[in-house]
Amino acid sequence: GENVEQHPSTLSVQEGDSAVIKCTYSDSASNYFPWYKQELGKGPQLIIDIRSNVGEKKDQRIAVTLNKTAKHFSLHITETQPEDSAVYFCAAFAGSGNTGKLIFGQGTTLQVKP
Amino acid sequence: EAGVTQSPTHLIKTRGQQATLRCSPISGHTSVYWYQQALGLGLQFLLWYDEGEERNRGNFPPRFSGRQFPNYSSELNVNALELEDSALYLCASSFEGARTEAFFGQGTRLTVV
Repeated sequence: GENVEQHPSTLSVQEGDSAVIKCTYSDSASNYFPWYKQELGKGPQLIIDIRSNVGEKKDQRIAVTLNKTAKHFSLHITETQPEDSAVYFCAAFAGSGNTGKLIFGQGTTLQVKP
Repeated sequence: EAGVTQSPTHLIKTRGQQATLRCSPISGHTSVYWYQQALGLGLQFLLWYDEGEERNRGNFPPRFSGRQFPNYSSELNVNALELEDSALYLCASSFEGARTEAFFGQGTRLTVV
């Protein structure tokens, strides 16, 4: 069935360093890939997304890359800050337009040490 | 503009009881999704409603059900509660199906004792 694998499950970096989270998906028809940030006690917040017609998208310190051939996509956070500490989820839209669904990875707990 | 709102914030039920969770989508959004997030786990897809109809459901037993009202708000009902149903239940909404940006509410923390 449809599946999204996310790595690593935990990531600890020093403030100012970069952080990279990687995901792979199984449904080759997937064409929409959002990333969410979830802080403690809150719902997931959409931080960036990418569609299959582009290979990279940037928004200030956050960037996402997509390799459709390899079915990989990654989140890159540069110049990390303590407030970036949270759980990050990748997701992929699987299935056809009228019946598809967003499948989420298992999450990455990012800790940014001051 | 108000975001996705869910009620109640917390809910404590006894095993065997029924729970009803509510979700109001962002104004203009017609799609509502429900996800279960058990402690330490990822988001498991439950249900997707669009224009009042159920479009898709995840691998959950039939005692998980719901509906979407004409104003696009939604209810999730869980019958015959089991201890393992304890989780954060998240609702999200989007403008037009799952290929567009989905925004989540704060969730309802359901505890079954």
